[in-house]
Amino acid sequence: QVQLVQSGAEVKKPGASVRVSCKASGYSFTNYGIHWVRQAPGQRLEWMGWISAGNGNTKYSEKFQGRVTIIRDTSATTVYMELSSLRSEDTAVYYCAREDYENVFDIWGQGTMVTVSS
Amino acid sequence: DIVMTQSPDSLAVSLGERATINCKSSQSLLYSSNSKNYLAWYLQKPGQPPKVLIYWASTRESGVPDRFSGSGSGTDFTLTISSLQAEDVAVYYCQQYYRTPYTFGQGTKLEIK
Repeated sequence: QVQLVQSGAEVKKPGASVRVSCKASGYSFTNYGIHWVRQAPGQRLEWMGWISAGNGNTKYSEKFQGRVTIIRDTSATTVYMELSSLRSEDTAVYYCAREDYENVFDIWGQGTMVTVSS
Repeated sequence: DIVMTQSPDSLAVSLGERATINCKSSQSLLYSSNSKNYLAWYLQKPGQPPKVLIYWASTRESGVPDRFSGSGSGTDFTLTISSLQAEDVAVYYCQQYYRTPYTFGQGTKLEIK
């Protein structure tokens, strides 16, 4: 079936980087875009950025510009999100989500908990 | 950025009764060239990712029960659950996809009275 499976939980120290993967299966990978959304404890969902799985074009939220990088590996049907210069406020569940042809996020990964703590 | 504000923050409704959640955007989400409102509704249950219910403000996602409906245009939108079921207990979010950064409301927690 159509699904996105993310990598496991991470614990990082302040200043470090984290890379979260999102493996797609069950559909034509290059026909859809993938978004990254995070949810800090008790906070609203926050959009971080997007990648076209077809041509690799990206768009990032200005809030994360310079700290976030999203890439894709078409042979592995996997999208990666890397966030650098981590601080405690980056502690959150990070989700990948597929954008369908109606521009909504129709399939979500299970989420990856990233904890930033010294 | 477009700010999305939901009301109320929490809501308790009896089983079988109607639940109404409102969402207001700081800018119009109506795109004049196609007359579509770039507004979606999601629900999220504890420990799960969000699930899309409604898009284009009023189009129900495939498989979503018809007790869920969306309405509104421009800056004011409403999600209605016509007859609350126990499985509808969740946090509901509105989201605008008119312009990046895509933004979400703060969420409305729906409980059973």
